[in-house]
Amino acid sequence: GAVVSQHPSRVICKSGTSVKIECRSLDFQATTMFWYRQFPKQSLMLMATSNEGSKATYEQGVEKDKFLINHASLTLSTLTVTSAHPEDSSFYICSASGLAGSLTDTQYFGPGTRLTVL
Amino acid sequence: ELKVEQNPLFLSMQEGKNYTIYCNYSTTSDRLYWYRQDPGKSLESLFVLLSNGAVKQEGRLMASLDTKARLSTLHITAAVHDLSATYFCAVAPRVTSGSRLTFGEGTQLTVNP
Repeated sequence: GAVVSQHPSRVICKSGTSVKIECRSLDFQATTMFWYRQFPKQSLMLMATSNEGSKATYEQGVEKDKFLINHASLTLSTLTVTSAHPEDSSFYICSASGLAGSLTDTQYFGPGTRLTVL
Repeated sequence: ELKVEQNPLFLSMQEGKNYTIYCNYSTTSDRLYWYRQDPGKSLESLFVLLSNGAVKQEGRLMASLDTKARLSTLHITAAVHDLSATYFCAVAPRVTSGSRLTFGEGTQLTVNP
């Protein structure tokens, strides 16, 4: 149980285009979803926290107009990178938490999406 | 602001040897997690430690938590090549906000034959 999927797993796009990444909790309802980005050889950096049906809370320094997050249902959150530039190239990982298993609030991580902006 | 520091950041060891990775954090915490990440992959959950003195073991890995010292350790026993990966600890603060996690910098472990 507690499986989180992401789609796509890998995307290459041209500078200036927008890219949407989906994060789904497959077998549980995720009350909260988190979006992280990870640069090579670095740790995970939390970008934003989203709760179903409400606006996402962004971390300091993360542009909310550039990284649009929608958490429309208890099983789906999307991250849209708008007008992507090469510096947005990174590994994006989502996680979801809810009433899965025996531990409330445990985060379950998706497999990640590798974004390359040319 | 919660800070999480891991030590060492890079670890190269021979198969069969033992070693410990340390994770220090700056404020009171409810939960501490250990994750493994292979190159190009996402995080794999290893352990969650919930209370002072908690010890968990899985195979050649053993994790412990000392909340008074704000320290967790990940001990590797008789290392094998398959354990080569990056290991992260992550901490959830006592006053949680949707179980927000703060990650350490990661320890890149290489086990040499």
